[in-house]
Amino acid sequence: ETGVTQTPRHLVMGMTNKKSLKCEQHLGHNAMYWYKQSAKKPLELMFVYNFKEQTENNSVPSRFSPECPNSSHLFLHLHTLQPEDSALYLCASSQEALGGGATREQFFGPGTRLTVL
Amino acid sequence: GIQVEQSPPDLILQEGANSTLRCNFSDSVNNLQWFHQNPWGQLINLFYIPSGTKQNGRLSATTVATERYSLLYISSSQTTDSGVYFCAVFKSGGGADGLTFGKGTHLIIQP
Repeated sequence: ETGVTQTPRHLVMGMTNKKSLKCEQHLGHNAMYWYKQSAKKPLELMFVYNFKEQTENNSVPSRFSPECPNSSHLFLHLHTLQPEDSALYLCASSQEALGGGATREQFFGPGTRLTVL
Repeated sequence: GIQVEQSPPDLILQEGANSTLRCNFSDSVNNLQWFHQNPWGQLINLFYIPSGTKQNGRLSATTVATERYSLLYISSSQTTDSGVYFCAVFKSGGGADGLTFGKGTHLIIQP
């Protein structure tokens, strides 16, 4: 595998389900990101992990729970979602200096298209 | 936080035409990237260009950091250039540790 991979590519879930999205980067980067793209809104940042520490939670509801066990893997755990959470969820990675920021080029995965019924 | 505006929002051209897409941003930036989103949603990196000029084949980009804008040029358009083009920026100390995206330019190249 090369670049940034995401699984699953498509997910349909009910509002009472619990599911997880997975992201893996094969670029040796130290920062990983979750972004959300809804039909009516521009791409928006959700979470940032820099050197495995969460440095950003962009006012995301608690029904979204990120996890970064190491610098190569990032998860987004989903529970009791709402239909308005249906969106394309994109993962990205970059190589950043200690202290955070997003000053370097980010590379994106193919996304997971989520539908909540 | 920093604001990003892209223009035009929609652009329809014939194959072979040239186009210029614009990105204005409200503050100085440490990172500026241009992406092409394909029909399947994948964001493809075009340029990492916080300042200066770069070229890659039929595409080129210029960022004038002092005047807070960036331009993406597409020459001799092909139907495969169709899709949405996004500009995204980051500013240190700007309140977010990731990229802030514009709303995009939806480009349609007709044969």
